[in-house]
Amino acid sequence: GQNIDQPTEMTATEGAIVQINCTYQTSGFNGLFWYQQHAGEAPTFLSYNVLDGLEEKGRFSSFLSRSKGYSYLLLKELQMKDSASYLCAAMDSNYQLIWGAGTKLIIKP
Amino acid sequence: GAVVSQHPSWVICKSGTSVKIECRSLDFQATTMFWYRQFPKQSLMLMATSNEGSKATYEQGVEKDKFLINHASLTLSTLTVTSAHPEDSSFYICSARSLASLRGSNEQFFGPGTRLTVL
Repeated sequence: GQNIDQPTEMTATEGAIVQINCTYQTSGFNGLFWYQQHAGEAPTFLSYNVLDGLEEKGRFSSFLSRSKGYSYLLLKELQMKDSASYLCAAMDSNYQLIWGAGTKLIIKP
Repeated sequence: GAVVSQHPSWVICKSGTSVKIECRSLDFQATTMFWYRQFPKQSLMLMATSNEGSKATYEQGVEKDKFLINHASLTLSTLTVTSAHPEDSSFYICSARSLASLRGSNEQFFGPGTRLTVL
């Protein structure tokens, strides 16, 4: 079956760095997405990886290893506004997104 | 970037009534639109996938006679919750994918969501 695993909740300190891991199993693979979702709002796109390696975009970076079925989202210089849920989603061979349950990130001052 | 709108943003209705939610792609043509439901503290759950001009494909466990989806044009899809009940109260989110996305990042663009409360 298809499955996405990510931690339920993480806590970090303002100004620090946090890494949110995601492992996936899908029928075929057309890329790995990370979305940010604040409470009561729709998800917003953060990153997309389809090739192995690290993609850096400002304070956020995303890494993919296709052979390991593994990705992580790295957030640097954490700000209070980064408190949100971070959703990992893998796209299968039918271009359908398989969603993880999300990781709630709590930022403490 | 591509913009997707949803209307209404929130709706409160009585049990037994029907509610229609609209999803529009504002600056691109959406060949495929997706409807999701999200309960509190849970992840997105795909309800159905709709392609313009054809019948929607529903996920297992989603009643197609209860959740009517119409993708009449390349910029509009509607979800109608028929005979709504309190257990249908949820956050409904649509997303859209354009033909260009298939050649690019395969990204889905999300609408802002509609919060439905059925009394």
